[in-house]
Order: sequence, then C-alpha cells, then structure tokens
Amino acid sequence: QQPVQSPQAVILREGEDAVINCSSSKALYSVHWYRQKHGEAPVFLMILLKGGEQKGHEKISASFNEKKQQSSLYLTASQLSYSGTYFCGTGDSGSARQLTFGSGTQLTVLP
Amino acid sequence: EAGVVQSPRYKIIEKKQPVAFWCNPISGHNTLYWYLQNLGQGPELLIRYENEEAVDDSQLPKDRFSAERLKGVDSTLKIQPAELGDSAVYLCASSSRGAGGNEQFFGPGTRLTVL
Repeated sequence: QQPVQSPQAVILREGEDAVINCSSSKALYSVHWYRQKHGEAPVFLMILLKGGEQKGHEKISASFNEKKQQSSLYLTASQLSYSGTYFCGTGDSGSARQLTFGSGTQLTVLP
Repeated sequence: EAGVVQSPRYKIIEKKQPVAFWCNPISGHNTLYWYLQNLGQGPELLIRYENEEAVDDSQLPKDRFSAERLKGVDSTLKIQPAELGDSAVYLCASSSRGAGGNEQFFGPGTRLTVL
C-alpha cells in the first residue's frame, strides 16, 4: 500500500517554512525522505526508524510517529535550493530493506 | 567515490522492439534495486537483488521484463517486446548490507520513450 503524502504541491517564498506529511495504513519500521529535482536522481535526505525519533540536518528535520504511522518533514527558512519534489519511502516491519514510495510533494521556493 | 552509473540516459524505440538498460552500483553495495518512475509519481520497485540473487521480483511483469545481476555487481534490465505503456524513467539504486533502513543511492535513470 502506497503511503499518502500531503500536500501534493506547495509554493512559498524564500525564508518561509513548510511541512510535508507522509502517512501509511500499515505499521512502519522506517521512513526515508528523498528530494528529486527535475530530470535528476532522487537524493537521500534522512532515515527515521521506529521509536518516535526525530532527526535534523541544518534547517531540514523530520519526525516519525510510529503509533500514528506518520512522518513529517520540516523545512525551516526555505532556500531556493530546496525546490524539488519530496518523496517519502516507507519500510514495513520485517522488510525494512524495501521501500514503498509516496507520489511526492512538489515544493517551489520563489525569491 | 563514483555514484550509481546507468546507461543509456535516454532511449527512444518503437513498440514491439527490445530494449536493455545497464546499471553499475556503488562499489561494495550488495543490494541493487530497479525502479520504474512514471511522470509525477514516486519510484515503484520492479526487482531487488541481494548480491546475485533476486529476492523480490513480485512487481516485475515477467511476460516481457527480465533482469540479471551476474557476479553480483552490475545488472541489466530488459524489456522484450516494449509496449507504449512502458514509457517511463527506469531508476537503479544500490545500498550496502546492514541493519534495515540503509539509505538507497539512486542513479540518474534511463528515460525510455516507446513510440
């Protein structure tokens, strides 16, 4: 079952914040976040494993609520370089090396 | 360190023709994945290899698609014959063995257009 991402698209100004959500109908072992720019390969951002952990890298962070089977990606003070399509990939229990990707959230950061 | 290499980057063929895609994963990565990505969608797994063994090919349309990973390094994905609906980007990814949750490194993909 494919995870559901929301919103499908978001447009913001440089410096604004954004939240991208990913929810699954199945129990999750892990959530991976990737960013893909047009015509390029998806690039890994971070992995969250079950346990409700939160991770962050500079101005991009994420949380994982395993009880709710949800993850959220937080982009703070967006930069132009943040533009792209963000995908969450979920790994269910017992098959963590295999991911099911959502349909993506298209983020556009305007100057 | 070189990333995942795929070739060709673009391929245009007529329907019913065969086509093959090649992938060389990051050195030392035991796990190799082939994904299909349609426009505006996320990657969909076609097949996953652990070394030379295909451990999950449940989503691979076996009537026309085939894959191999000889010697557990590079891999080839073949379509024969191609159909109009096969037009998509075919992505290869690799990851290293370890605890579940390892990041996957993607190649640039092969964009296939079937006319």
